[in-house]
This record gives sequence, structure tokens and C-alpha cells, in this order.
Amino acid sequence: QVQLQESGPGLVKPSETLSLTCTVSGDSISSYYWSWIRQPPGKGLEWIAYIFYSGSTNYNPSLKSRVTISVDTSKNQFSLKLSSVTAADTAVYYCAKYYFGSGFDPWGQGTLVTVSS
Amino acid sequence: EIVMTQSPATLSVSPGERATLSCRASQSVTSNLAWYQQKPGQAPRLLIYGASTRATGIPARFGGSGSGTEFTLTINSLQSEDFAVYYCQQYNNWPLTFGGGTKVEIK
Repeated sequence: QVQLQESGPGLVKPSETLSLTCTVSGDSISSYYWSWIRQPPGKGLEWIAYIFYSGSTNYNPSLKSRVTISVDTSKNQFSLKLSSVTAADTAVYYCAKYYFGSGFDPWGQGTLVTVSS
Repeated sequence: EIVMTQSPATLSVSPGERATLSCRASQSVTSNLAWYQQKPGQAPRLLIYGASTRATGIPARFGGSGSGTEFTLTINSLQSEDFAVYYCQQYNNWPLTFGGGTKVEIK
């Protein structure tokens, strides 16, 4: 059974870089696609980016200039970096496995990142 | 970007009754549509993909229909555990986009 777990700082200062890691267990990351999605408190879901184990990526244009997604197959992890953060980037960040043709499944439990000085 | 619009924003339903949720796409997404359920404090869970195919382990009381721009999620005989927020998501075009959600609450 695939499980995903997000990790990283829960508080980031404005203008700094948010960094999160998703650790995958129960499955090899060297298959399928892996994605980041976020949800501001009390609001809806926004897809951020995906990565294939080979390193192929796709980003949401609304965030593309500030986002980098990467994969470490040796650790079965993939990561997200979001630069120049503002309060608008405060959200629960989820990692998920992405299947072309069927959506995101499963999801990690999510981690709240607050942008504040 | 394809805009997904869900209605209503809130649906009040009595346990045992049927809930009908709508999702509209700003342009055709063919059948490339998924539905998710999210309970408070939890991550979303995939319910339906391909507009009408239930994901593994999803009870038969959940049904999806539609194609093109109009989609429906039907929940028959609502159980207590079904009161949650439901999101639709298209995966026909990049970027992938979600609807704003429908909250199903106890009447």
C-alpha cells in the first residue's frame, strides 16, 4: 500500500524559499508521476506541479516562475521549492501520486506552511 | 486554463436521502474528470475518475456521470460518513484544475 508523507518547516518568512519533501513508502518512486497540490486555509485546491522519476516536469503557469520540483530516486523522495513566498502562499501542501487518466491517488496527509515574519 | 464551477456551494441533505452535485467545465474535458471527497482535517480521497468509474474501495452508492462540460456526482442513501466537501478536477488540459467544492451537510 502506497503511503506518502510530507515534511519540512511549518513557518517560512516572507521573501524566503519554502522547501518541502515527500517520502514515498510501499512503492518505488521510479514509476508513475508524483505531484504537489496546495490548499489555502478554508479554500479550494490548486495543482502546483508534477515530476516523473526520470526528471520530466510540468508546472502550473501561475507558479512556474517560482517553483522547482525534483526527485531523489535513491531516497524514494521528491521535493518542492517555492521561492519569494508571501502570505498568499500560506496553505496546506499535499503530495500525491498522479495517474494519467485517473487523477491523484493516494495523497499524503498534508503539511501546513505559514508564511509570516 | 479550464475553469471548473461546482454547484451548489452547500447542499443540505438528510441521512438516507440522495445528494446530487454538479460540476461544469468552461470548455470540454471529454470524460477526463475526477471527483474527490475531503473530510475536515484530512486529505482529499479519490472517488471517481473517467467521469464515471469508481476508484478502488469506493462504495457503490457513489456514482458519476456526464461528459464534455457537464458532470454530476450522485450519492445515494447518504451515510453519516458521507458528509464532507466534494471537489471535481479535470485532467484533460494543462494546468490541471479543480472546482471550488460543494459542501454536503446534514439537514
